[in-house]
Amino acid sequence: QKEVEQNSGPLSVPEGAIASLNCTYSDRVSQSFFWYRQYSGKSPELIMSIYSNGDKEDGRFTAQLNKASQYVSLLIRDSQPSDSATYLCAVNNRTDKLIFGTGTRLQVFP
Amino acid sequence: DTEVTQTPKHLVMGMTNKKSLKCEQHMGHRAMYWYKQKAKKPPELMFVYSYEKLSINESVPSRFSPECPNSSLLNLHLHALQPEDSALYLCASSQADDRGYGYTFGSGTRLTVV
Repeated sequence: QKEVEQNSGPLSVPEGAIASLNCTYSDRVSQSFFWYRQYSGKSPELIMSIYSNGDKEDGRFTAQLNKASQYVSLLIRDSQPSDSATYLCAVNNRTDKLIFGTGTRLQVFP
Repeated sequence: DTEVTQTPKHLVMGMTNKKSLKCEQHMGHRAMYWYKQKAKKPPELMFVYSYEKLSINESVPSRFSPECPNSSLLNLHLHALQPEDSALYLCASSQADDRGYGYTFGSGTRLTVV
């Protein structure tokens, strides 16, 4: 079992729709969870962090964490073509390493 | 200053060359990292420095040699690399005592070994 798992996609959504990206992790004692956006050929950019169960909203982005189910998600409201990128889920595990999932490629079409 | 600066942005080197990648941050972060990323793969951790001491080496081959001269600088010395080492090399930094803030990544060095 991989430490952090994501569906590789691509996830295709129309402009203006809600994009929902999901991530599961295996280390139950993980404490910190992050979503990074990576455009092709560029470096990862931190867009959301979450540490407690529940929802955390920042603009069009909402991160959701359910520690009992070991599940993290990212919702992007009013998706724009500029949101088209690979979204990487990252988890800070018990060995204090930031471990990345394989990423989900999001495509937002006009 | 909220940036991590990496140089060079692109590097082509032969298998017998010696080169170095450089990383600099002025955010007061005391943890710095090297990651390697191959195309269509996630970043893979190579090394972690915490308070200028090497704390994690992910069994990286000795042809990669990290160095942390001070709290703002991180180098990666390269020697006798193989073509399969071609990748995007990412430097990152974070608050050493609070990983909850996540890592800030530099723009990376695109390395090609010929």
